Amino acid sequence: GAVVSQHPSRVICKSGTSVKIECRSLDFQATTMFWYRQFPKQSLMLMATSNEGSKATYEQGVEKDKFLINHASLTLSTLTVTSAHPEDSSFYICSASGPRLDTQYFGPGTRLTVL
Amino acid sequence: GESVGLHLPTLSVQEGDNSIINCAYSNSASDYFIWYKQESGKGPQFIIDIRSNMDKRQGQRVTVLLNKTVKHLSLQIAATQPGDSAVYFCAENKGNTDKLIFGTGTRLQVFP
Repeated sequence: GAVVSQHPSRVICKSGTSVKIECRSLDFQATTMFWYRQFPKQSLMLMATSNEGSKATYEQGVEKDKFLINHASLTLSTLTVTSAHPEDSSFYICSASGPRLDTQYFGPGTRLTVL
Repeated sequence: GESVGLHLPTLSVQEGDNSIINCAYSNSASDYFIWYKQESGKGPQFIIDIRSNMDKRQGQRVTVLLNKTVKHLSLQIAATQPGDSAVYFCAENKGNTDKLIFGTGTRLQVFP
């Protein structure tokens, strides 16, 4: 149980374009979803927390207009990287938690490369 | 032995030996701690957790020890196998929030 999927697993885009990443909880209702960014050989950095049906809460230093988060249902959250630039290239990972879960369960991650 | 690389400390062990991975956490108010395993190109995988009212918890081949006095957490892996090779992260959570704060991570390399 507690399976989280992400799509796509890899994406390459041109500078200036927008990219949408989906995060789904497959076998539970995720009342809260989290988005992290991870640069090579570094730890996971929390970008934002989203609760179903409400606006996301962003961590200090994360631009909410650049990283748009939508948590429209109890099984789906999306992260849209708008006007992507090469410095946005990273590994983006989502996690989800639910009312019957003690901890967060992580998706497999999405590798974003901006050319 | 243990060494510090550019970003990640590395622990190298021989197959069959026991591994001990250490973590210092930052917030004395944290009351829930988790160890995650992350293989290359994948998301973190839950290994074991412990709450602050305990100082030891055992799973299958893994044991987590919590020392609240010095804010130290350790993960012990018994009879380390090649499949244990990965980066291991500790994470802490303060009771009044859902957020996890991740440590810097330790790379475990298992040699035959």
